[in-house]
Amino acid sequence: AQSVAQPEDQVNVAEGNPLTVKCTYSVSGNPYLFWYVQYPNRGLQFLLKYITGDNLVKGSYGFEAEFNKSQTSFHLKKPSALVSDSALYFCAVRDVNYGGSQGNLIFGKGTKLSVKP
Amino acid sequence: EPEVTQTPSHQVTQMGQEVILRCVPISNHLYFYWYRQILGQKVEFLVSFYNNEISEKSEIFDDQFSVERPDGSNFTLKIRSTKLEDSAMYFCATGTGTGNQPQHFGDGTRLSIL
Repeated sequence: AQSVAQPEDQVNVAEGNPLTVKCTYSVSGNPYLFWYVQYPNRGLQFLLKYITGDNLVKGSYGFEAEFNKSQTSFHLKKPSALVSDSALYFCAVRDVNYGGSQGNLIFGKGTKLSVKP
Repeated sequence: EPEVTQTPSHQVTQMGQEVILRCVPISNHLYFYWYRQILGQKVEFLVSFYNNEISEKSEIFDDQFSVERPDGSNFTLKIRSTKLEDSAMYFCATGTGTGNQPQHFGDGTRLSIL
């Protein structure tokens, strides 16, 4: 079965410090991995994706994520956090071998990021 | 940047009533999805739709749910007889169908069942 785990309900970071939001996944085939951010009363906004190639992918707003196949992880990172980064972050996976290229996303439960000034 | 538009933003309905949630996809997108998010829980897949038929559906998407694209633009989710546990945020998402492209989400409809 496909699944995504985000082990931390909340991550607290001081502004200017690096941040990491953790994500691990389980799929039977090759994964397509995504990070989305949700601000209050808004939908999910796409941040970045890993499909193939370089394990370090860069996305919007200075975020990046590192794909680690052996650890089945796709942690979200940012070198220097901003207060405006405070939001709910969702990791998602699409199993290429399940549902095809248009298959639905499987989401983690979300991690609330709080960046304090 | 083109957006997925959902209406209404908030719907309050009595239990047992029918509701229709509407979504206007991004114009060149061909794949449509509904997800829901119960308060404090994760986003869950409901159904995917392509070429005027359901591609895939989850266990949540039972007989009380239906989807259609009646006029070639709006994509709708109908809940025939609402239950208290249907209270949630419902998100529409659309995509090109290419696996390496992200799905784009609307801002959601908050459905409150009384």
